[in-house]
Amino acid sequence: NAGVTQTPKFRVLKTGQSMTLLCAQDMNHEYMYWYRQDPGMGLRLIHYSVGEGTTAKGEVPDGYNVSRLKKQNFLLGLESAAPSQTSVYFCASSVTGAGNQPQHFGDGTRLSIL
Amino acid sequence: GDSVTQMEGPVTLSEEAFLTINCTYTATGYPSLFWYVQYPGEGLQLLLKATKADDKGSNKGFEATYRKETTSFHLEKGSVQVSDSAVYFCALSDKNYGQNFVFGPGTRLSVLP
Repeated sequence: NAGVTQTPKFRVLKTGQSMTLLCAQDMNHEYMYWYRQDPGMGLRLIHYSVGEGTTAKGEVPDGYNVSRLKKQNFLLGLESAAPSQTSVYFCASSVTGAGNQPQHFGDGTRLSIL
Repeated sequence: GDSVTQMEGPVTLSEEAFLTINCTYTATGYPSLFWYVQYPGEGLQLLLKATKADDKGSNKGFEATYRKETTSFHLEKGSVQVSDSAVYFCALSDKNYGQNFVFGPGTRLSVLP
């Protein structure tokens, strides 16, 4: 019962470094999402994908890029990390984009930018 | 735009106490409503949901009723346990655009033995 798997779980970067967060889901879901979670702010949507080969911007997309080359994987990239990107990142997926469908979350990646 | 407001935390209760976490929303459409729970070090897990007015979602002793007239979706449990200690998020989703999930800031619950 893997569900949504995120790697890595923790990472520390220096300002200006780049990295990629990987999200994999084994539920054959069409939609996938990347959020960031900051204290007192709930979750904010960074980017999402409505299917293989598609991506779209969410609420806070600046400084991030994404790719969905395979249906089961959704990658989040930071090209030049900044301290403001220190956060916990969550990936989620849903069967479809219908509003009554819940999203299923991974356990998160805790990222610190020094 | 759409928004979700939750009561300020943290909430500290003794075991077997009654729990209410208030949630109100504003939405231009007719959203579905959700409660998610996040245990320490884990991702969010769906706790319950309701998709239309007067629907009651329930799971693990938790309940919430979709009240369109008061735009509310308050979470309740009759008798909390230490294992219920977690952060609870209220969320809404537009019926036509599921990617537009809007989460509240979360309410941290601590249950003491």
